[in-house]
Amino acid sequence: AQSVTQLGSHVSVSEGALVLLRCNYSSSVPPYLFWYVQYPNQGLQLLLKYTSAATLVKGINGFEAEFKKSETSFHLTKPSAHMSDAAEYFCAVSDSGTYKYIFGTGTRLKVLA
Amino acid sequence: DAGVTQSPTHLIKTRGQHVTLRCSPISGHKSVSWYQQVLGQGPQFIFQYYEKEERGRGNFPDRFSARQFPNYSSELNVNALLLGDSALYLCASSQQGQGQPQHFGDGTRLSIL
Repeated sequence: AQSVTQLGSHVSVSEGALVLLRCNYSSSVPPYLFWYVQYPNQGLQLLLKYTSAATLVKGINGFEAEFKKSETSFHLTKPSAHMSDAAEYFCAVSDSGTYKYIFGTGTRLKVLA
Repeated sequence: DAGVTQSPTHLIKTRGQHVTLRCSPISGHKSVSWYQQVLGQGPQFIFQYYEKEERGRGNFPDRFSARQFPNYSSELNVNALLLGDSALYLCASSQQGQGQPQHFGDGTRLSIL
C-alpha cells in the first residue's frame, strides 16, 4: 500500500534561513506527488505538484521540490523563510492505479524573528 | 471564480445523531472528494465521486456515506455519530484525470458532545 512519511512534525527556522521539509513516499510505480500548505482554520492550498514532466518543480510563494526516484523523496525547500510561511505543510501522493490521495501527517513550520 | 464552498462551517452534534455536510465544487470540476482531518493529523481519504458514481473509498465504516448530484455538488452523511467523529471535514474538487491536484474548501468543523 502507498504511504507518505514526513520526517519532523515540527521544524523551526530563522527568518531568512533555508526551509527544508522532508517527504518520502512508497510506491511501486512513479506517483503523482503534491505539497500543500494549511493555515489555521483553513483548508489546504496547493503549493506544487510533480507529474513526471520535470524532477525539479517550482511552486507558489518561492517554494520548490525535487523528485528523487532513487531516494523515493520529494523534499520541499525555500531559500529564504518569511514570517508568513509559518503554517502546516502536507505532502501527498496519488499513484496512477487509484484515485486515492494519501497525505502525510504534516510538518508544522515555525519561523523565528 | 468561486472556490470550493462547504456548509456549514461549524456544527455541534451529540452522540448517536446523524449529520449532513455539503460541498459545492469549483465550476467545471466533476470530481469531488471528502477527507476527515483529526486535530494534529493529515487528511484521511473518505470518498471520491465522479459523475455521480463512487470511484474510491477509504477505510471508514458504513456509517459514512456520500452522494453526488447532477450539478456535481456533494453531500457527506454520517450516522450514529461517535465522539471520535469530531474532526474537520474537508471537501476537495478536481478536474477529470488521474494526478489532478485537489482543490480544497475551508472545511466543516464537526464537534460531537
